[in-house]
Amino acid sequence: QQQVKQSPQSLIVQKGGISIINCAYENTAFDYFPWYQQFPGKGPALLIAIRPDVSEKKEGRFTISFNKSAKQFSLHIMDSQPGDSATYFCAASVSWDNDMRFGAGTRLTVKP
Amino acid sequence: NAGVMQNPRHLVRRRGQEARLRCSPMKGHSHVYWYRQLPEEGLKFMVYLQKENIIDESGMPKERFSAEFPKEGPSILRIQQVVRGDSAAYFCASSPSVGLAGYEQYFGPGTRLTVT
Repeated sequence: QQQVKQSPQSLIVQKGGISIINCAYENTAFDYFPWYQQFPGKGPALLIAIRPDVSEKKEGRFTISFNKSAKQFSLHIMDSQPGDSATYFCAASVSWDNDMRFGAGTRLTVKP
Repeated sequence: NAGVMQNPRHLVRRRGQEARLRCSPMKGHSHVYWYRQLPEEGLKFMVYLQKENIIDESGMPKERFSAEFPKEGPSILRIQQVVRGDSAAYFCASSPSVGLAGYEQYFGPGTRLTVT
């Protein structure tokens, strides 16, 4: 049962451009929405996270936009750099059961 | 660096053998999660444990797979009688025990299991 749908599956962006990755969820009980970045051969690393009481959170070049009514959230990477090339996973969890559901991932390639 | 540690990093087993994967959570973390990742796919939840207790094993196959998190020592994911379909990367994550910080899961580098 896929509870978090992520798109696109892959994304190619020119250096300096904006990378946008979208996720949609089904379970309205989800109350924590993190994004993870994974480089080949490495474990996922927590990048940025948001809770549903805010509509946007920004950390450096990374911004999460959250639309509670649409049950969607997205990651925006501003001024994308080749070093951002990685696989990005969105996730969602319900605080009371600590069970985190992951999207299928987006492979981002930033061309120099 | 007291991050999540996993060993071994790479494990090769023949069909029918047993695989034991170990995970030491971050210092101060008492929640451990195991995930499986197949090539080109996302992370699939397997099991969630606290010290000496399995909280949720809904993602773990009923046969051949087991997990434990003893009072002392690392968490162990055990796969008996491995088959080729078990070949994957297995990631462990840990989180703090209380408060809002309990949401945040920190991942280890993974164990890549290859079954020949």
